[in-house]
Amino acid sequence: ELKVEQNPLFLSMQEGKNYTIYCNYSTTSDRLYWYRQDPGKSLESLFVLLSNGAVKQEGRLMASLDTKARLSTLHITAAVHDLSATYFCAPVPGAGSYQLTFGKGTKLSVIP
Amino acid sequence: AAGVIQSPRHLIKEKRETATLKCYPIPRHDTVYWYQQGPGQDPQFLISFYEKMQSDKGSIPDRFSAQQFSDYHSELNMSSLELGDSALYFCASSPYDSFSGNTIYFGEGSWLTVV
Repeated sequence: ELKVEQNPLFLSMQEGKNYTIYCNYSTTSDRLYWYRQDPGKSLESLFVLLSNGAVKQEGRLMASLDTKARLSTLHITAAVHDLSATYFCAPVPGAGSYQLTFGKGTKLSVIP
Repeated sequence: AAGVIQSPRHLIKEKRETATLKCYPIPRHDTVYWYQQGPGQDPQFLISFYEKMQSDKGSIPDRFSAQQFSDYHSELNMSSLELGDSALYFCASSPYDSFSGNTIYFGEGSWLTVV
């Protein structure tokens, strides 16, 4: 069974600062997704990471994947208030699986 | 761009009643997924369908059933509702070749409250 651990679960940071969210998972996964969720809203896709060493960037967010370490990171650069949300990582167990296994989420609050 | 459409957006049911949620995937998406998200929780995978056949099954209670129809829309039927079924239910869709890393898109969700 695939287990996913995200940390931190809560993150309060000042605008302009940098920080990294970590996502560890327990078994082999061939792809990993990052989602953003505002309270009571849908899950917005941020990144899909497919291979070891994959790095993707969009605006102030950059995600990476290390399949050997079973680790993905979401790096926030020069945070702004609009980035306040809950961020989920979700690896998929392996080929043939359709399940996203979500972490507990990291609730990010960016303080002006 | 078209998104995943879910209905109803909100519903209130009493214990032991039945509820049906509907999901219309993005056009040309043939894979549909259902997730349940309790208050303050992460989404939990329930079930998925590809080309009208069940493709994967997660923690879906036996009281729940789902299917995908010929027009690719899907319905989640929930019977003998319990208070613990109160949650936000998401439908998601993707093209079949999600193995290549296509995005899985989520709908706005259906809020179910069981009283």
